[in-house]
Amino acid sequence: GESVGLHLPTLSVQEGDNSIINCAYSNSASDYFIWYKQESGKGPQFIIDIRSNMDKRQGQRVTVLLNKTVKHLSLQIAATQPGDSAVYFCAENKSGSEKLVFGKGTKLTVNP
Amino acid sequence: EADIYQTPRYLVIGTGKKITLECSQTMGHDKMYWYQQDPGMELHLIHYSYGVNSTEKGDLSSESTVSRIRTEHFPLTLESARPSHTSQYLCASSDPRVKSNYGYTFGSGTRLTVV
Repeated sequence: GESVGLHLPTLSVQEGDNSIINCAYSNSASDYFIWYKQESGKGPQFIIDIRSNMDKRQGQRVTVLLNKTVKHLSLQIAATQPGDSAVYFCAENKSGSEKLVFGKGTKLTVNP
Repeated sequence: EADIYQTPRYLVIGTGKKITLECSQTMGHDKMYWYQQDPGMELHLIHYSYGVNSTEKGDLSSESTVSRIRTEHFPLTLESARPSHTSQYLCASSDPRVKSNYGYTFGSGTRLTVV
């Protein structure tokens, strides 16, 4: 069935380093992907999205890469800061579907 | 400033009580969703609505019910709370006509504890 997952449940990095959070999806019909950030005690917050007709999209300090060949999605955070510490979720949407499918999160810890 | 509001933020209640979790959004979004999430874990869709008078069950079976009488309001009700209902409940809304993407806007959640 459909599933979206992350490779690592936890990731620890030093402040100032770049972070890479990975996500694998299994539904080749998915055509829209989103990364969310969830801080402790809060709801998920939209970070960046990408459509399947793109390989890369950049935002402020974040980049999302999509490899449709291997059904892999990644979120890169440049110059990671303590405020980036959170759980990160990827989500997918299949064309024609009204719902997002969320994967398991990766907890990012930024060490000072 | 939040555009989607959930109340209460925290609730501790005894077994057997009836509770209603409130969710309101000011963005005019047609689509609204309820997710259940254990701390740090994935989100499980329990209910969704495509508009007024539309409600559907989600992927995760839930003993809760929802209603959508007004566009901006999507309350979730548990008729008889049990300890197994202890979790965080997240409300979200979306409308691709309003935003340029299909992303959801989430509320801050209600953390429910049933004792």
